[in-house]
Amino acid sequence: GAGVSQTPSNKVTEKGKYVELRCDPISGHTALYWYRQSLGQGPEFLIYFQGTGAADDSGLPNDRFFAVRPEGSVSTLKIQRTERGDSAVYLCASSPRGDYGYTFGSGTRLTVV
Amino acid sequence: AQKITQTQPGMFVQEKEAVTLDCTYDTSDQSYGLFWYKQPSSGEMIFLIYQGSYDEQNATEGRYSLNFQKARKSANLVISASQLGDSAMYFCAIGSSYKLIFGSGTRLLVRP
Repeated sequence: GAGVSQTPSNKVTEKGKYVELRCDPISGHTALYWYRQSLGQGPEFLIYFQGTGAADDSGLPNDRFFAVRPEGSVSTLKIQRTERGDSAVYLCASSPRGDYGYTFGSGTRLTVV
Repeated sequence: AQKITQTQPGMFVQEKEAVTLDCTYDTSDQSYGLFWYKQPSSGEMIFLIYQGSYDEQNATEGRYSLNFQKARKSANLVISASQLGDSAMYFCAIGSSYKLIFGSGTRLLVRP
């Protein structure tokens, strides 16, 4: 597609539920990134994919968070047993290689009630 | 570890005037990049300008310029001839490879 697409744009879920957030990167971009932006803060790195593999998942806050990119294109960020503190905007970005040429999506605003 | 500090939570500027958004950084890396992004209310992070640590000249992109002072570890963004559409959050970021570290941002409001 023309840009990075993230769905849904908004998600409200109850505490304890499981959620999946989807990112469709720019066609041909091998690198994909997830960031989390809490209210009033800048984005914080979560995970970086190069192709199908997670090259760096050091930013995932705990084992309730997991991300996949099985075919090297679309990625899904999965959050188990959601907590109110998980409420944030989750941003996805892609780049042609693993470098700085990021294009960000518009994000998914997750609200845990 | 790398760190970005943006000390201006909010700024006002009159339309058509220039404005400077401050950014200081801390890093132990010799090679790094500095970035500015704009985030309008729609939420998307829009890349504005990039400065490499070895670039001797300040980066410019249209109305945006980056005032890079390496010894002071500062990378201020200058927006010339402000427009109403420039009202947004602005984030400074630093990176040494693929990962970006962002500051907490500055909210700019352009007054007509």
